[in-house]
Amino acid sequence: DAGVIQSPRHEVTEMGQEVTLRCKPISGHNSLFWYRQTMMRGLELLIYFNNNVPIDDSGMPEDRFSAKMPNASFSTLKIQPSEPRDSAVYFCASSPQAYEQYFGPGTRLTVT
Amino acid sequence: SQQGEEDPQALSIQEGENATMNCSYKTSINNLQWYRQNSGRGLVHLILIRSNEREKHSGRLRVTLDTSKKSSSLLITASRAADTASYFCATDARGAQKLVFGQGTRLTINP
Repeated sequence: DAGVIQSPRHEVTEMGQEVTLRCKPISGHNSLFWYRQTMMRGLELLIYFNNNVPIDDSGMPEDRFSAKMPNASFSTLKIQPSEPRDSAVYFCASSPQAYEQYFGPGTRLTVT
Repeated sequence: SQQGEEDPQALSIQEGENATMNCSYKTSINNLQWYRQNSGRGLVHLILIRSNEREKHSGRLRVTLDTSKKSSSLLITASRAADTASYFCATDARGAQKLVFGQGTRLTINP
């Protein structure tokens, strides 16, 4: 298996632009998680899905952030409009059960 | 605030020595996990210990869990340069599926 796949790996955008991050979980995993990692705040859970259904989005910072999982093999995290404080590494992780999680390589987002 | 807090924040030792990292948490848990993150990479799951277990081994890794003190430790024996990474503990609150990660311990193994 190729593991969790994220794209793009790096994204540089200007403030106010829309950003879409993509994730393909490991086949057969029924849970998907989106995290954000910064030096100041560490690793924060933004939202997670079970069987494509959002379960907990309490970590989503504000209405500028949205996430979808239209099917078991694809999820997106969208930021619109982006702001400099959104600069971070965004990780997607999937899990076969409610135990160990498998992380993707991350997307490094820079908003100027 | 974070559920898990690692201690120390940074640790630097010589190759071949043992490295011990600690994690404290606040609420009751189902299990506690340890993850490793190499620079610029995603986290990699190392080991899971359930709330009814006290110790677990995996290769050079030894994890202990003391639920009465709400703490865990990760011991890496005979460290190698390749063990240089950040190590995170993660806990799941009872009844919740999501994990909460600590701030991590940055481990540096000097050759």
